[in-house]
Amino acid sequence: EDKVVQSPLSLVVHEGDTVTLNCSYEVTNFRSLLWYKQEKKAPTFLFMLTSSGIEKKSGRLSSILDKKELFSILNITATQTGDSAIYLCAGPQGGSEKLVFGKGTKLTVNP
Amino acid sequence: DSGVTQTPKHLITATGQRVTLRCSPRSGDLSVYWYQQSLDQGLQFLIQYYNGEERAKGNILERFSAQQFPDLHSELNLSSLELGDSALYFCASSVGGSRDKGYGYTFGSGTRLTVV
Repeated sequence: EDKVVQSPLSLVVHEGDTVTLNCSYEVTNFRSLLWYKQEKKAPTFLFMLTSSGIEKKSGRLSSILDKKELFSILNITATQTGDSAIYLCAGPQGGSEKLVFGKGTKLTVNP
Repeated sequence: DSGVTQTPKHLITATGQRVTLRCSPRSGDLSVYWYQQSLDQGLQFLIQYYNGEERAKGNILERFSAQQFPDLHSELNLSSLELGDSALYFCASSVGGSRDKGYGYTFGSGTRLTVV
């Protein structure tokens, strides 16, 4: 069964630090890998990485996909307290449309 | 506002009771997904509907059922509730079908269910 494993599960940093969140994805038929940010309620979409788009960047956030190893990292530079959230990694399971999620990394940024 | 509407936002009920959670997908989306999120399990897929028909099923308990109506809104019914059913229940929607480019879902804000 397809599986998404994230590490670390929890991370506490100070404002201004750079963090790297990890996601490994065991899947039989890779199509895409997605990152979401979950603050108080609904997860919100950050990035989608595919075979044709293995690096994405938006402001201080960036993500890279190693398609061969099925591993992705999410980098956040110059962290701010507003970056405190749970970061979720997900991928479509097999040939279906349903997403399998990792357990998430809870990031806490202290002032 | 994501465009996916879930009601109610909060629900407190007693063990053994039955509740119905409602979801209206984003305009144009045909697929609706239900997920359960608890502290230790993360987001767990329950069920997917596409244009009124069940498309995929996850580890959904027999006490739980869902349906999608002709206007594409969906309901998740939870019965014989137990303390362990307390969780956040999310609905998400996507275009779905062959038109789905794997862009991921749009989530609603969730229903927090507390069983006492």
